[in-house]
Amino acid sequence: EAGVVQSPRYKIIEKKQPVAFWCNPISGHNTLYWYLQNLGQGPELLIRYENEEAVDDSQLPKDRFSAERLKGVDSTLKIQPAELGDSAVYLCASSLDGGGRLPPSGANVLTFGAGSRLTVL
Amino acid sequence: RKEVEQDPGPFNVPEGATVAFNCTYSNSASQSFFWYRQDCRKEPKLLMSVYSSGNEDGRFTAQLNRASQYISLLIRDSKLSDSATYLCVVKNTGRRALTFGSGTRLQVQP
Repeated sequence: EAGVVQSPRYKIIEKKQPVAFWCNPISGHNTLYWYLQNLGQGPELLIRYENEEAVDDSQLPKDRFSAERLKGVDSTLKIQPAELGDSAVYLCASSLDGGGRLPPSGANVLTFGAGSRLTVL
Repeated sequence: RKEVEQDPGPFNVPEGATVAFNCTYSNSASQSFFWYRQDCRKEPKLLMSVYSSGNEDGRFTAQLNRASQYISLLIRDSKLSDSATYLCVVKNTGRRALTFGSGTRLQVQP
């Protein structure tokens, strides 16, 4: 089974340019997350979708960041315009439900994609 | 104060050693706890869940102390392949997403 697929893996842009990241979650996973990870830090939640609804976007900087999950499957995360401080790894994850339940069956945990590493010059 | 706090390390230990990491969380209503492992320049992956009664998976033992609000991970007989960053993860009541600590880096040396 394919895991969470993200693209591009690497992106280098100049500040003030736009950038977009794409994520294809595991088939059947209804919940999708975008996390941001800075060097030496843990992942920080940007937005969580349950199906096509954004149910937690309180940490998303809405002046420059936007996200969508059309048809409740693939998702895109966009930054416009990018700033130097946006350089980080953008991780997409999916889970079968809201995530965080004890997984005796191995289900209901977050599976991450390989991430998209953004460098803003 | 961060919701989830960990000693960043690095912990440098020889092969075969036993090493323990602690993690503290601030929200007493937190309900689920996990340890994730992240290799250098890779994505985090679930290592194990942490149950109230404590649980063991091979060389790895996880403990939860709700009264003191901390979680621990014990690794016995360390292997070179255990070198990674270990992320403490908490799910709080009312929030469906997981909150990650900054991670503790382990380097097992030959």
